Amino acid sequence: QQQVKQSPQSLIVQKGGISIINCAYENTAFDYFPWYQQFPGKGPALLIAIRPDVSEKKEGRFTISFNKSAKQFSLHIMDSQPGDSATYFCAASTHFGNEKLTFGTGTRLTIIP
Amino acid sequence: DVKVTQSSRYLVKRTGEKVFLECVQDMDHENMFWYRQDPGLGLRLIYFSYDVKMKEKGDIPEGYSVSREKKERFSLILESASTNQTSMYLCASSFLGSGNSPLHFGNGTRLTVT
Repeated sequence: QQQVKQSPQSLIVQKGGISIINCAYENTAFDYFPWYQQFPGKGPALLIAIRPDVSEKKEGRFTISFNKSAKQFSLHIMDSQPGDSATYFCAASTHFGNEKLTFGTGTRLTIIP
Repeated sequence: DVKVTQSSRYLVKRTGEKVFLECVQDMDHENMFWYRQDPGLGLRLIYFSYDVKMKEKGDIPEGYSVSREKKERFSLILESASTNQTSMYLCASSFLGSGNSPLHFGNGTRLTVT
């Protein structure tokens, strides 16, 4: 049972463009939504996270947009760079302080020159 | 800097063998997790632990067990390895009760069962 659905599975974007990855969830008890970035041969690492009390969070070129009514959230990467090429996972969890995350299926992002 | 170390990068085992995957973290984290990563399926939680000698099943515990005798070490055990357990295994750790503190992952163990 996939509680967090992620799309697309793969994405190719030109350098300087905007990369957009989408996630949807079903469990309304989820209250924490992080994104993890994974480079080849490495474990995932936290990139950015949001709670449902805000609709957007921005850190540098990375922005999470959150739509609570639609139960959707997305990652936007502005001015995409070749160094952003990686696999991105959205995730969600319930309960403050509970780090048991449910992950999406991942998006392999490739930035071409 | 937090370090999560998995003992093997690559492992090849035969069907029916008992397999141990070891994970050590150096940041005194209470939480430790074992995930498996498969293409198209993302990361799926196998087992997790909030304290020494404590364990809880994740979403796909069948065929696995775990051991946590010391706070810094969390072992994943495949009692009788099967080919459908060929996968990338990722260990992670985090602080407990600090507002969803980040998971810190190791670099993974790629297990092949033949």
